[in-house]
Amino acid sequence: AQKITQTQPGMFVQEKEAVTLDCTYDTSDPSYGLFWYKQPSSGEMIFLIYQGSYDQQNATEGRYSLNFQKARKSANLVISASQLGDSAMYFCAMREGRTGFKTIFGAGTRLFVKA
Amino acid sequence: NAGVTQTPKFQVLKTGQSMTLQCAQDMNHNSMYWYRQDPGMGLRLIYYSASEGTTDKGEVPNGYNVSRLNKREFSLRLESAAPSQTSVYFCASSDSFGQGEGYTFGSGTRLTVV
Repeated sequence: AQKITQTQPGMFVQEKEAVTLDCTYDTSDPSYGLFWYKQPSSGEMIFLIYQGSYDQQNATEGRYSLNFQKARKSANLVISASQLGDSAMYFCAMREGRTGFKTIFGAGTRLFVKA
Repeated sequence: NAGVTQTPKFQVLKTGQSMTLQCAQDMNHNSMYWYRQDPGMGLRLIYYSASEGTTDKGEVPNGYNVSRLNKREFSLRLESAAPSQTSVYFCASSDSFGQGEGYTFGSGTRLTVV
C-alpha cells in the first residue's frame, strides 16, 4: 500500500540559510508522482513542486528543489535562502500511476524561520 | 480570481444535523476532490470525482455523500453530523492525467460539530 512518511514534526532554520525537509514514500507502482505543498498560517494549500518517478533530473522551482533518491524512496524538499515568509506547514504527497486520481499526504512538517 | 471556491468558510453544527459543503472551480478541470485535514494526520481523501458524472470513495468516506453536479461543481454532504467529523475540509481540482500538475485547493471550510 502506498505510504508517505514525514518524520520531522517541526524544524527551525535561520533566515537566509538552506533547509531540507525529509520525506520518504512507499509504493509498488513503478509510475508515480511526488508533490510538495505549503500551508501558511492563513490555511490555504499551495502547490510547490512536482517530481515524476521517471524523471532523470531533480525538479527545481525557484528556491525550491526536490532531492529525489529513487533507490532510497526519498523525496526531500530543499529550500534555499530561507525567508520569514517560508514559515509554514509543508506536506509531501504522492500519486500512484495506477490509481490515477488518489493523492495521499504525509503528516506534515512545520518550518519556523528565525530572523 | 480563477480558482476553487468553497462555501461556507466556517460552520458549527449540532450532532445529528445535516449540511452540504459547496465547491466550484472555474479552471475547466476534469477531476475534483474532497479532503479532510485533522491535526497530525495530514490530508485524507474522502471522495473524488475523476470526471463529470463519476464519483468514487477515498480513504475515509463513511458518513459522507457527494454529488458532481456538473463539471464545475462538486458538493459534500454530511447527512447526520458527528463530533468525529469536526475538521477542516478542503476541496481541490486538477486535470485528469496532469501528473505534473498539483492540485488547486479551495480555502477550506472549518467545521465544528458539537
